[in-house]
Amino acid sequence: GDSVTQMEGPVTLSEEAFLTINCTYTATGYPSLFWYVQYPGEGLQLLLKATKADDKGSNKGFEATYRKETTSFHLEKGSVQVSDSAVYFCALRPGGYQKVTFGTGTKLQVIP
Amino acid sequence: DAGVTQSPTHLIKTRGQQVTLRCSPKSGHDTVSWYQQALGQGPQFIFQYYEEEERQRGNFPDRFSGHQFPNYSSELNVNALLLGDSALYLCASSSGTGDSNQPQHFGDGTRLSIL
Repeated sequence: GDSVTQMEGPVTLSEEAFLTINCTYTATGYPSLFWYVQYPGEGLQLLLKATKADDKGSNKGFEATYRKETTSFHLEKGSVQVSDSAVYFCALRPGGYQKVTFGTGTKLQVIP
Repeated sequence: DAGVTQSPTHLIKTRGQQVTLRCSPKSGHDTVSWYQQALGQGPQFIFQYYEEEERQRGNFPDRFSGHQFPNYSSELNVNALLLGDSALYLCASSSGTGDSNQPQHFGDGTRLSIL
Protein backbone atom coordinates (compact mmCIF):
# COMPACT_ATOMS: atom_id res chain seq x y z
CA GLY A 1 0.00 0.00 0.00
CA ASP A 2 0.89 3.65 -0.10
CA SER A 3 3.20 4.99 2.59
CA VAL A 4 5.16 8.10 3.54
CA THR A 5 8.35 8.13 5.58
CA GLN A 6 9.61 11.29 7.24
CA MET A 7 12.75 12.01 9.20
CA GLU A 8 12.13 11.76 12.90
CA GLY A 9 12.11 14.84 15.05
CA PRO A 10 12.23 16.91 16.92
CA VAL A 11 14.44 19.18 14.86
CA THR A 12 15.85 22.15 16.75
CA LEU A 13 17.37 25.02 14.81
CA SER A 14 18.53 28.52 15.55
CA GLU A 15 16.75 31.40 13.88
CA GLU A 16 17.98 32.03 10.29
CA ALA A 17 19.38 28.49 9.96
CA PHE A 18 18.74 26.34 6.86
CA LEU A 19 16.01 23.74 7.16
CA THR A 20 15.68 20.37 5.46
CA ILE A 21 13.05 17.81 6.39
CA ASN A 22 13.38 14.58 4.44
CA CYS A 23 10.39 12.76 3.00
CA THR A 24 10.23 9.65 0.86
CA TYR A 25 7.18 7.83 -0.38
CA THR A 26 5.93 4.55 -1.78
CA ALA A 27 2.99 4.61 -4.13
CA THR A 28 1.74 3.15 -7.37
CA GLY A 29 1.15 5.45 -10.28
CA TYR A 30 1.65 9.17 -10.04
CA PRO A 31 0.44 10.59 -6.76
CA SER A 32 0.18 14.24 -5.84
CA LEU A 33 2.49 15.23 -2.99
CA PHE A 34 1.84 17.71 -0.20
CA TRP A 35 3.39 19.31 2.82
CA TYR A 36 1.01 20.29 5.62
CA VAL A 37 1.84 22.27 8.77
CA GLN A 38 0.13 21.96 12.13
CA TYR A 39 0.49 24.63 14.79
CA PRO A 40 -0.28 23.72 18.42
CA GLY A 41 -3.97 23.22 19.04
CA GLU A 42 -4.90 23.66 15.40
CA GLY A 43 -5.79 21.56 12.39
CA LEU A 44 -3.61 21.04 9.35
CA GLN A 45 -2.85 23.81 6.88
CA LEU A 46 -1.68 23.10 3.37
CA LEU A 47 1.83 24.52 2.98
CA LEU A 48 2.65 23.51 -0.58
CA LYS A 49 1.94 20.86 -3.18
CA ALA A 50 3.32 19.28 -6.36
CA THR A 51 1.26 17.22 -8.76
CA LYS A 52 3.80 15.72 -11.17
CA ALA A 53 7.45 14.79 -11.45
CA ASP A 54 9.95 17.68 -11.29
CA ASP A 55 7.27 20.12 -10.10
CA LYS A 56 8.46 22.48 -7.39
CA GLY A 57 5.95 23.59 -4.80
CA SER A 58 6.70 26.78 -2.87
CA ASN A 59 5.03 28.96 -0.27
CA LYS A 60 6.17 31.34 2.50
CA GLY A 61 9.84 30.65 1.72
CA PHE A 62 9.40 26.87 1.87
CA GLU A 63 10.15 24.71 -1.18
CA ALA A 64 9.92 21.06 -2.15
CA THR A 65 10.61 19.32 -5.47
CA TYR A 66 8.80 16.17 -6.63
CA ARG A 67 11.59 13.69 -7.43
CA LYS A 68 10.13 10.57 -8.98
CA GLU A 69 13.51 8.91 -9.54
CA THR A 70 14.27 9.00 -5.81
CA THR A 71 10.59 8.98 -4.68
CA SER A 72 11.31 11.98 -2.50
CA PHE A 73 9.73 15.33 -1.64
CA HIS A 74 12.11 17.01 0.81
CA LEU A 75 11.04 20.26 2.43
CA GLU A 76 13.56 23.14 2.55
CA LYS A 77 13.71 26.70 3.76
CA GLY A 78 16.71 28.96 3.54
CA SER A 79 16.21 30.91 6.77
CA VAL A 80 13.79 29.74 9.45
CA GLN A 81 12.00 31.98 11.91
CA VAL A 82 10.67 31.34 15.40
CA SER A 83 7.17 31.51 13.93
CA ASP A 84 7.96 28.43 11.80
CA SER A 85 7.94 26.25 14.92
CA ALA A 86 5.27 23.62 14.26
CA VAL A 87 4.79 20.02 13.17
CA TYR A 88 5.27 19.34 9.47
CA PHE A 89 3.56 16.46 7.67
CA CYS A 90 4.48 15.05 4.29
CA ALA A 91 1.55 13.44 2.48
CA LEU A 92 0.51 11.86 -0.79
CA ARG A 93 -2.72 11.34 -2.65
CA PRO A 94 -3.04 8.82 -5.46
CA GLY A 95 -4.41 9.99 -8.74
CA GLY A 96 -8.17 9.88 -8.91
CA TYR A 97 -8.73 9.43 -5.18
CA GLN A 98 -9.25 11.80 -2.29
CA LYS A 99 -7.73 9.65 0.45
CA VAL A 100 -4.52 11.24 1.74
CA THR A 101 -1.75 9.19 3.33
CA PHE A 102 0.34 11.09 5.86
CA GLY A 103 3.75 10.61 7.36
CA THR A 104 4.17 10.63 11.12
CA GLY A 105 5.16 14.29 11.22
CA THR A 106 8.36 16.13 12.11
CA LYS A 107 8.34 18.64 14.93
CA LEU A 108 10.41 21.75 14.26
CA GLN A 109 11.50 24.05 17.06
CA VAL A 110 13.25 27.29 16.15
CA ILE A 111 15.03 29.09 18.95
CA PRO A 112 15.96 32.79 18.91
CA ASP B 1 -15.42 32.93 3.62
CA ALA B 2 -15.77 30.37 6.40
CA GLY B 3 -13.40 27.46 6.26
CA VAL B 4 -14.08 23.97 7.56
CA THR B 5 -15.83 24.12 10.92
CA GLN B 6 -16.05 21.26 13.40
CA SER B 7 -18.01 20.81 16.61
CA PRO B 8 -17.58 20.31 19.42
CA THR B 9 -14.00 21.42 20.04
CA HIS B 10 -13.48 19.05 22.95
CA LEU B 11 -15.43 16.07 24.21
CA ILE B 12 -15.03 13.67 27.12
CA LYS B 13 -16.73 10.29 27.09
CA THR B 14 -16.43 7.00 28.95
CA ARG B 15 -15.81 3.55 27.56
CA GLY B 16 -18.82 1.96 25.89
CA GLN B 17 -20.55 5.24 25.13
CA GLN B 18 -21.39 6.56 21.70
CA VAL B 19 -20.31 9.90 20.21
CA THR B 20 -21.28 12.07 17.24
CA LEU B 21 -18.91 14.64 15.75
CA ARG B 22 -19.99 17.25 13.23
CA CYS B 23 -18.38 19.00 10.29
CA SER B 24 -19.39 21.79 7.93
CA PRO B 25 -17.27 21.93 4.79
CA LYS B 26 -15.72 25.01 3.30
CA SER B 27 -18.10 26.96 1.07
CA GLY B 28 -18.14 25.47 -2.42
CA HIS B 29 -16.87 22.07 -1.32
CA ASP B 30 -18.98 18.93 -1.69
CA THR B 31 -16.68 16.17 -0.44
CA VAL B 32 -15.89 15.47 3.20
CA SER B 33 -13.20 13.16 4.58
CA TRP B 34 -12.61 12.19 8.20
CA TYR B 35 -9.25 11.43 9.81
CA GLN B 36 -8.14 10.20 13.23
CA GLN B 37 -4.92 11.67 14.62
CA ALA B 38 -3.52 9.95 17.68
CA LEU B 39 -1.11 11.92 19.84
CA GLY B 40 2.26 12.28 18.16
CA GLN B 41 1.10 10.57 14.96
CA GLY B 42 0.01 11.58 11.52
CA PRO B 43 -3.68 11.58 10.59
CA GLN B 44 -5.18 8.24 9.54
CA PHE B 45 -7.95 8.18 6.92
CA ILE B 46 -11.29 6.92 8.23
CA PHE B 47 -13.66 7.48 5.30
CA GLN B 48 -14.87 9.92 2.67
CA TYR B 49 -18.37 11.07 1.75
CA TYR B 50 -19.57 12.43 -1.56
CA GLU B 51 -23.15 12.81 -2.75
CA GLU B 52 -24.33 11.48 0.61
CA GLU B 53 -22.56 8.15 0.13
CA GLU B 54 -19.44 6.64 1.62
CA ARG B 55 -16.96 6.45 -1.27
CA GLN B 56 -13.74 5.24 0.35
CA ARG B 57 -12.92 3.71 3.69
CA GLY B 58 -9.70 3.20 5.60
CA ASN B 59 -8.85 0.39 8.03
CA PHE B 60 -11.34 1.25 10.73
CA PRO B 61 -13.96 -1.07 12.27
CA ASP B 62 -17.68 -0.81 11.69
CA ARG B 63 -18.00 1.01 15.03
CA PHE B 64 -17.02 4.05 12.97
CA SER B 65 -19.83 5.24 10.73
CA GLY B 66 -20.80 8.46 9.08
CA HIS B 67 -23.36 10.43 7.23
CA GLN B 68 -23.46 13.28 4.77
CA PHE B 69 -26.44 15.61 4.48
CA PRO B 70 -27.85 17.35 1.38
CA ASN B 71 -26.10 20.59 2.42
CA TYR B 72 -22.76 18.62 2.32
CA SER B 73 -22.22 18.74 6.08
CA SER B 74 -21.23 15.49 7.70
CA GLU B 75 -21.28 13.53 10.92
CA LEU B 76 -18.89 10.94 12.30
CA ASN B 77 -20.38 8.43 14.73
CA VAL B 78 -18.37 6.11 16.92
CA ASN B 79 -20.10 3.38 18.94
CA ALA B 80 -18.86 1.31 21.89
CA LEU B 81 -16.01 3.70 22.58
CA LEU B 82 -12.63 2.28 23.58
CA LEU B 83 -9.75 3.97 25.35
CA GLY B 84 -7.82 3.73 22.09
CA ASP B 85 -10.37 5.96 20.37
CA SER B 86 -8.94 8.94 22.22
CA ALA B 87 -7.57 11.20 19.50
CA LEU B 88 -8.00 14.38 17.51
CA TYR B 89 -10.63 13.83 14.81
CA LEU B 90 -10.11 15.97 11.74
CA CYS B 91 -12.55 16.77 9.02
CA ALA B 92 -11.31 17.79 5.58
CA SER B 93 -13.31 19.10 2.67
CA SER B 94 -12.61 19.42 -1.03
CA SER B 95 -14.35 19.75 -4.36
CA GLY B 96 -15.13 16.63 -6.38
CA THR B 97 -13.92 13.09 -5.86
CA GLY B 98 -11.66 12.39 -8.79
CA ASP B 99 -9.43 15.42 -9.02
CA SER B 100 -6.34 14.77 -6.94
CA ASN B 101 -5.00 18.20 -7.82
CA GLN B 102 -7.54 19.84 -5.54
CA PRO B 103 -6.14 20.03 -2.01
CA GLN B 104 -8.16 19.22 1.06
CA HIS B 105 -8.88 21.93 3.59
CA PHE B 106 -8.85 20.85 7.22
CA GLY B 107 -10.80 21.98 10.23
CA ASP B 108 -9.22 22.47 13.65
CA GLY B 109 -10.55 19.12 14.82
CA THR B 110 -12.46 17.68 17.74
CA ARG B 111 -10.37 16.44 20.66
CA LEU B 112 -12.04 13.28 21.97
CA SER B 113 -10.93 11.89 25.33
CA ILE B 114 -12.14 8.52 26.57
CA LEU B 115 -12.02 7.85 30.32
